Amino acid sequence: QKEVEQNSGPLSVPEGAIASLNCTYSDRVSQSFFWYRQYSGKSPELIMSIYSNGDKEDGRFTAQLNKASQYVSLLIRDSQPSDSATYLCAVNLYNFNKFYFGSGTKLNVKP
Amino acid sequence: GAVVSQHPSRVICKSGTSVKIECRSLDFQATTMFWYRQFPKKSLMLMATSNEGSKATYEQGVEKDKFLINHASLTLSTLTVTSAHPEDSSFYICSARGGVGTEAFFGQGTRLTVV
Repeated sequence: QKEVEQNSGPLSVPEGAIASLNCTYSDRVSQSFFWYRQYSGKSPELIMSIYSNGDKEDGRFTAQLNKASQYVSLLIRDSQPSDSATYLCAVNLYNFNKFYFGSGTKLNVKP
Repeated sequence: GAVVSQHPSRVICKSGTSVKIECRSLDFQATTMFWYRQFPKKSLMLMATSNEGSKATYEQGVEKDKFLINHASLTLSTLTVTSAHPEDSSFYICSARGGVGTEAFFGQGTRLTVV
């Protein structure tokens, strides 16, 4: 079983809509969670980090964490064509200083 | 966010030669650095985790004698691909973090082509 799982997509949304990206993880000792955005041919860039249950908002982005259900999600409000990229969920396993990524969800925002 | 610089961004080498990739944290001390490789349209694959001053921890299936990692200082880690072969051609990316549980920031990546 993979440590971090994401739907590969592509997820297509119209410009201005809300894009919802989901991620599940297998290891209960995971304690910190991150969302990265990766454009084709580039390295990932950090969008959000979340450490405790609930919602965390930053501009158009909201990260949601539910440790009991072992999932973390990212909502993008007012989606823009420039948001089109692959979104990677990452999980940090404290005990082993491991940092694992999901396979990524490709998002297409159509003008 | 913090800045991580990776060099070179692209390298082409002949089969059988070795290539060194550098990863530097420019504005913070990186206690841990991670090395990944990524094939086209695939996810990041963690190769190894290195902590400053200690030996790197390699993931299962990654040959430590082929992918030499050195993390001699809090701002520099290097990955050397030894005796490179065409199947080693890939996008190699480093990331660095200042402490356990904190965000990791990525270098720009190195696209290695072995001919």
